[in-house]
Amino acid sequence: GIQVEQSPPDLILQEGANSTLRCNFSDSVNNLQWFHQNPWGQLINLFYIPSGTKQNGRLSATTVATERYSLLYISSSQTTDSGVYFCAGVWNRDDKIIFGKGTRLHILP
Amino acid sequence: EAQVTQNPRYLITVTGKKLTVTCSQNMNHEYMSWYRQDPGLGLRQIYYSMNVEVTDKGDVPEGYKVSRKEKRNFPLILESPSPNQTSLYFCASKQGLPYEQYFGPGTRLTVT
Repeated sequence: GIQVEQSPPDLILQEGANSTLRCNFSDSVNNLQWFHQNPWGQLINLFYIPSGTKQNGRLSATTVATERYSLLYISSSQTTDSGVYFCAGVWNRDDKIIFGKGTRLHILP
Repeated sequence: EAQVTQNPRYLITVTGKKLTVTCSQNMNHEYMSWYRQDPGLGLRQIYYSMNVEVTDKGDVPEGYKVSRKEKRNFPLILESPSPNQTSLYFCASKQGLPYEQYFGPGTRLTVT
């Protein structure tokens, strides 16, 4: 079936550490996007990345569409990076957008 | 400022009392959609609209209605709310399929 799976589900790190979040998606899912939901509930766009690599400051993302996965890298974590990170893709058979269940990241000061 | 707005941001209501959550975007986007977010279940799509007068069901459409009479607005209607519709609701828009979507601030709905 259609699947967007994220790992790990939870991650606790010390401030300054680096982290890698993974998103696996099934066939027919494309147009990957990464979001950050902050502790106040806001959903913030991080990357629209159907393929290739993008960087924005301490964050970068890579999508390998042929192998159906995407990675989000966070370097030198800060407490403000805490929250839930979601990936989402479009199922190309009927244009539905499907979210993974998220990775909850907690950065300790 | 380019944005998606939702109103109200918080709503407490009783079972069976019809309500509407408004959503508006000022980016001239064609695609708009509604999601609900529940603990442990992530975000699930309720309805989406590819353009004016075109709407389609997402994964969890039961108990909801939408309309898209004009490009900028996409209201979510709960004709007879029930407690299992207590959730955090997000509206989103994008220019088209191969583009990133932008989210509103969310509406926290409680049905007692």
